[in-house]
Amino acid sequence: DTAVSQTPKYLVTQMGNDKSIKCEQNLGHDTMYWYKQDSKKFLKIMFSYNNKELIINETVPNRFSPKSPDKAHLNLHINSLELGDSAVYFCASSHGSSGELFFGEGSRLTVL
Amino acid sequence: GESVGLHLPTLSVQEGDNSIINCAYSNSASDYFIWYKQESGKGPQFIIDIRSNMDKRQGQRVTVLLNKTVKHLSLQIAATQPGDSAVYFCAETIPYSSASKIIFGSGTRLSIRP
Repeated sequence: DTAVSQTPKYLVTQMGNDKSIKCEQNLGHDTMYWYKQDSKKFLKIMFSYNNKELIINETVPNRFSPKSPDKAHLNLHINSLELGDSAVYFCASSHGSSGELFFGEGSRLTVL
Repeated sequence: GESVGLHLPTLSVQEGDNSIINCAYSNSASDYFIWYKQESGKGPQFIIDIRSNMDKRQGQRVTVLLNKTVKHLSLQIAATQPGDSAVYFCAETIPYSSASKIIFGSGTRLSIRP
């Protein structure tokens, strides 16, 4: 069983479109995250949710809207996609304030 | 500000030799540090961690050293193997509300020469 699963794994779309990436964890963790990894491999935190409540929002544009329907799911919706949004987006989870993150396999978004 | 690590460098090591990967951090409030390994096409995976009240921690073939005076972390891998090829990230954890803010360094690519 995959602990943290993301879908889709690959996403190719045109500028201006709206897309979503879904994430689910079966580890029983109460904290979930979205990270963005650029072409230089730099990993930047975007959002963190604890028990469905938004805790961290790292000055991400309003076009990005996370949603946590329950503590096992954290989805990411992106409106009006731009070229600079092309990256690999990683979902992760952790138990409480533990710094040990469990990552999904990533979702590679390519905006043309 | 928040800044961990350097621009992505590459470390090339002969198979069987020891590898040392270095990382600098800048946030004095960080109380917990972690090394992650990211293989191609996968998400980062936890390797080893260290709390700020320690200066050394050993695992299986890996050792992490923490020097708080100069805000420096290192990861030592003994007897490097081909399977160790990956990008390695240090991360610092800053207490933040009911979660932790985990800031990643820019990573080091480790390549193994046969």
